[in-house]
Amino acid sequence: GDSVTQMEGPVTLSEEAFLTINCTYTATGYPSLFWYVQYPGEGLQLLLKATKADDKGSNKGFEATYRKETTSFHLEKGSVQVSDSAVYFCALSDRRDSSYKLIFGSGTRLLVRP
Amino acid sequence: DTGVSQDPRHKITKRGQNVTFRCDPISEHNRLYWYRQTLGQGPEFLTYFQNEAQLEKSRLLSDRFSAERPKGSFSTLEIQRTEQGDSAMYLCASSLLAGSTDTQYFGPGTRLTVL
Repeated sequence: GDSVTQMEGPVTLSEEAFLTINCTYTATGYPSLFWYVQYPGEGLQLLLKATKADDKGSNKGFEATYRKETTSFHLEKGSVQVSDSAVYFCALSDRRDSSYKLIFGSGTRLLVRP
Repeated sequence: DTGVSQDPRHKITKRGQNVTFRCDPISEHNRLYWYRQTLGQGPEFLTYFQNEAQLEKSRLLSDRFSAERPKGSFSTLEIQRTEQGDSAMYLCASSLLAGSTDTQYFGPGTRLTVL
Protein backbone atom coordinates (compact mmCIF):
# COMPACT_ATOMS: atom_id res chain seq x y z
CA GLY A 1 0.00 0.00 0.00
CA ASP A 2 0.87 3.67 -0.15
CA SER A 3 3.30 4.95 2.47
CA VAL A 4 5.38 7.96 3.50
CA THR A 5 8.81 7.87 5.10
CA GLN A 6 10.32 10.85 6.86
CA MET A 7 13.72 11.39 8.38
CA GLU A 8 13.77 10.75 12.08
CA GLY A 9 14.13 13.63 14.45
CA PRO A 10 14.68 15.58 16.39
CA VAL A 11 16.41 18.01 14.10
CA THR A 12 18.16 20.69 16.12
CA LEU A 13 19.33 23.87 14.40
CA SER A 14 20.51 27.30 15.35
CA GLU A 15 18.44 30.28 14.31
CA GLU A 16 19.03 31.35 10.67
CA ALA A 17 20.37 27.92 9.69
CA PHE A 18 19.24 26.11 6.54
CA LEU A 19 16.61 23.42 7.02
CA THR A 20 16.00 20.24 5.07
CA ILE A 21 13.56 17.55 6.19
CA ASN A 22 13.56 14.54 3.91
CA CYS A 23 10.36 12.85 2.78
CA THR A 24 9.97 9.97 0.35
CA TYR A 25 6.81 8.22 -0.66
CA THR A 26 5.56 4.98 -2.16
CA ALA A 27 2.42 5.14 -4.26
CA THR A 28 1.18 3.23 -7.26
CA GLY A 29 -0.94 6.12 -8.49
CA TYR A 30 -0.42 9.87 -8.82
CA PRO A 31 -0.62 11.26 -5.33
CA SER A 32 -0.95 14.80 -4.15
CA LEU A 33 1.71 15.64 -1.58
CA PHE A 34 1.43 17.80 1.52
CA TRP A 35 3.41 19.16 4.41
CA TYR A 36 1.55 19.84 7.64
CA VAL A 37 2.97 21.44 10.80
CA GLN A 38 1.85 20.74 14.36
CA TYR A 39 2.68 23.10 17.21
CA PRO A 40 2.58 21.76 20.78
CA GLY A 41 -0.93 20.89 21.93
CA GLU A 42 -2.51 21.89 18.64
CA GLY A 43 -3.96 20.27 15.55
CA LEU A 44 -2.31 20.16 12.16
CA GLN A 45 -1.91 23.22 9.97
CA LEU A 46 -1.46 22.90 6.23
CA LEU A 47 1.95 24.32 5.33
CA LEU A 48 2.14 23.64 1.60
CA LYS A 49 1.08 21.22 -1.09
CA ALA A 50 1.85 20.03 -4.63
CA THR A 51 -0.47 18.10 -6.87
CA LYS A 52 1.70 17.00 -9.80
CA ALA A 53 5.27 16.24 -10.73
CA ASP A 54 7.70 19.19 -10.70
CA ASP A 55 5.20 21.40 -8.86
CA LYS A 56 6.76 23.51 -6.10
CA GLY A 57 4.70 24.29 -3.05
CA SER A 58 5.73 27.26 -0.94
CA ASN A 59 4.51 29.14 2.11
CA LYS A 60 6.06 31.26 4.88
CA GLY A 61 9.56 30.74 3.48
CA PHE A 62 9.18 26.95 3.31
CA GLU A 63 9.20 25.15 -0.01
CA ALA A 64 9.09 21.62 -1.38
CA THR A 65 9.26 20.25 -4.91
CA TYR A 66 7.34 17.17 -6.08
CA ARG A 67 10.01 14.89 -7.56
CA LYS A 68 8.41 11.93 -9.28
CA GLU A 69 11.72 10.45 -10.45
CA THR A 70 13.02 10.17 -6.88
CA THR A 71 9.55 9.87 -5.23
CA SER A 72 10.50 12.66 -2.86
CA PHE A 73 9.02 15.84 -1.44
CA HIS A 74 11.74 17.31 0.78
CA LEU A 75 10.92 20.36 2.88
CA GLU A 76 13.40 23.25 2.87
CA LYS A 77 13.74 26.66 4.42
CA GLY A 78 16.64 29.00 3.93
CA SER A 79 16.71 30.58 7.40
CA VAL A 80 14.80 29.07 10.30
CA GLN A 81 13.44 30.97 13.29
CA VAL A 82 12.79 29.90 16.84
CA SER A 83 9.07 30.11 16.06
CA ASP A 84 9.48 27.33 13.46
CA SER A 85 10.02 24.82 16.27
CA ALA A 86 7.28 22.23 15.79
CA VAL A 87 6.61 18.76 14.39
CA TYR A 88 6.42 18.53 10.60
CA PHE A 89 4.41 15.82 8.84
CA CYS A 90 4.69 14.79 5.22
CA ALA A 91 1.54 13.24 3.77
CA LEU A 92 0.09 11.95 0.54
CA SER A 93 -3.38 11.59 -0.86
CA ASP A 94 -3.92 9.13 -3.69
CA ARG A 95 -6.36 10.51 -6.24
CA ARG A 96 -7.25 7.00 -7.36
CA ASP A 97 -8.76 6.51 -3.90
CA SER A 98 -12.16 8.20 -3.85
CA SER A 99 -11.78 8.91 -0.13
CA TYR A 100 -8.69 11.12 -0.69
CA LYS A 101 -7.66 10.09 2.79
CA LEU A 102 -4.27 11.34 3.94
CA ILE A 103 -1.44 8.92 4.66
CA PHE A 104 1.10 10.49 6.98
CA GLY A 105 4.71 9.93 7.83
CA SER A 106 5.67 9.62 11.48
CA GLY A 107 6.67 13.26 11.77
CA THR A 108 9.96 15.09 12.28
CA ARG A 109 10.44 17.30 15.32
CA LEU A 110 12.35 20.52 14.67
CA LEU A 111 13.94 22.45 17.48
CA VAL A 112 15.44 25.83 16.66
CA ARG A 113 17.74 27.37 19.26
CA PRO A 114 18.27 31.14 19.57
CA ASP B 1 -12.67 32.43 12.88
CA THR B 2 -14.38 29.99 10.52
CA GLY B 3 -11.96 27.08 10.85
CA VAL B 4 -12.71 23.54 12.02
CA SER B 5 -13.66 23.37 15.68
CA GLN B 6 -13.72 20.39 18.03
CA ASP B 7 -15.22 19.91 21.44
CA PRO B 8 -14.08 19.07 24.02
CA ARG B 9 -10.37 19.79 23.69
CA HIS B 10 -9.54 17.37 26.49
CA LYS B 11 -11.42 14.42 27.95
CA ILE B 12 -10.36 12.21 30.83
CA THR B 13 -12.49 9.16 31.47
CA LYS B 14 -12.36 5.86 33.27
CA ARG B 15 -12.06 2.58 31.46
CA GLY B 16 -15.45 1.24 30.45
CA GLN B 17 -17.15 4.62 30.14
CA ASN B 18 -18.62 6.00 26.92
CA VAL B 19 -17.38 9.25 25.41
CA THR B 20 -18.59 11.44 22.55
CA PHE B 21 -16.66 14.05 20.62
CA ARG B 22 -18.03 16.73 18.34
CA CYS B 23 -16.56 18.30 15.21
CA ASP B 24 -17.87 21.38 13.40
CA PRO B 25 -16.36 21.64 9.92
CA ILE B 26 -15.79 24.70 7.79
CA SER B 27 -19.31 25.61 6.74
CA GLU B 28 -19.16 25.08 2.98
CA HIS B 29 -17.11 21.88 3.14
CA ASN B 30 -18.84 18.72 2.01
CA ARG B 31 -16.32 16.20 3.34
CA LEU B 32 -15.44 15.46 6.93
CA TYR B 33 -12.71 13.12 8.15
CA TRP B 34 -11.75 11.62 11.50
CA TYR B 35 -8.17 10.62 12.30
CA ARG B 36 -6.47 9.25 15.40
CA GLN B 37 -2.98 10.27 16.47
CA THR B 38 -1.01 8.46 19.14
CA LEU B 39 2.05 9.91 20.81
CA GLY B 40 5.00 10.30 18.49
CA GLN B 41 3.12 9.10 15.43
CA GLY B 42 1.40 10.63 12.45
CA PRO B 43 -2.39 10.68 12.26
CA GLU B 44 -4.16 7.57 11.01
CA PHE B 45 -7.41 7.63 9.05
CA LEU B 46 -10.52 6.38 10.82
CA THR B 47 -13.51 7.32 8.67
CA TYR B 48 -14.97 9.98 6.39
CA PHE B 49 -18.27 11.44 5.32
CA GLN B 50 -19.39 13.07 2.14
CA ASN B 51 -22.32 15.21 3.17
CA GLU B 52 -24.27 12.94 5.54
CA ALA B 53 -23.10 9.62 4.08
CA GLN B 54 -20.34 7.69 5.81
CA LEU B 55 -18.45 6.25 2.85
CA GLU B 56 -15.45 4.46 4.33
CA LYS B 57 -14.33 3.11 7.67
CA SER B 58 -10.82 1.99 8.55
CA ARG B 59 -10.10 -1.35 10.16
CA LEU B 60 -8.92 0.74 13.12
CA LEU B 61 -12.56 1.62 13.75
CA SER B 62 -13.71 -1.25 15.93
CA ASP B 63 -17.35 -2.00 16.72
CA ARG B 64 -17.02 0.19 19.82
CA PHE B 65 -16.60 3.25 17.62
CA SER B 66 -19.44 4.96 15.81
CA ALA B 67 -19.56 8.20 13.88
CA GLU B 68 -22.44 10.22 12.56
CA ARG B 69 -22.94 13.34 10.53
CA PRO B 70 -26.63 14.19 10.64
CA LYS B 71 -27.76 16.61 7.96
CA GLY B 72 -24.25 16.83 6.60
CA SER B 73 -23.16 19.46 9.09
CA PHE B 74 -21.39 18.68 12.37
CA SER B 75 -20.17 15.18 13.18
CA THR B 76 -19.90 13.14 16.36
CA LEU B 77 -17.54 10.31 17.18
CA GLU B 78 -18.61 8.02 20.01
CA ILE B 79 -16.45 5.44 21.73
CA GLN B 80 -18.27 2.90 23.85
CA ARG B 81 -16.69 0.94 26.69
CA THR B 82 -13.42 2.83 26.45
CA GLU B 83 -10.13 0.99 26.85
CA GLN B 84 -6.72 2.35 27.80
CA GLY B 85 -5.58 1.75 24.23
CA ASP B 86 -8.11 4.34 23.06
CA SER B 87 -6.02 7.10 24.65
CA ALA B 88 -4.99 9.33 21.76
CA MET B 89 -5.62 12.64 20.03
CA TYR B 90 -8.72 12.49 17.84
CA LEU B 91 -8.48 14.89 14.92
CA CYS B 92 -11.24 16.08 12.64
CA ALA B 93 -10.63 17.57 9.22
CA SER B 94 -12.89 18.97 6.53
CA SER B 95 -12.52 19.65 2.83
CA LEU B 96 -14.35 20.79 -0.25
CA LEU B 97 -13.79 18.23 -2.94
CA ALA B 98 -13.32 20.09 -6.23
CA GLY B 99 -12.38 18.06 -9.28
CA SER B 100 -9.41 15.91 -8.38
CA THR B 101 -8.13 18.21 -5.66
CA ASP B 102 -8.97 17.75 -2.01
CA THR B 103 -7.19 19.78 0.67
CA GLN B 104 -8.04 18.92 4.24
CA TYR B 105 -8.07 21.46 7.06
CA PHE B 106 -7.74 20.18 10.59
CA GLY B 107 -9.28 21.16 13.87
CA PRO B 108 -7.35 21.46 17.15
CA GLY B 109 -8.16 17.89 18.16
CA THR B 110 -9.65 16.23 21.23
CA ARG B 111 -7.13 14.58 23.52
CA LEU B 112 -8.62 11.51 25.20
CA THR B 113 -7.05 9.96 28.28
CA VAL B 114 -8.52 6.68 29.52
CA LEU B 115 -7.54 5.81 33.09
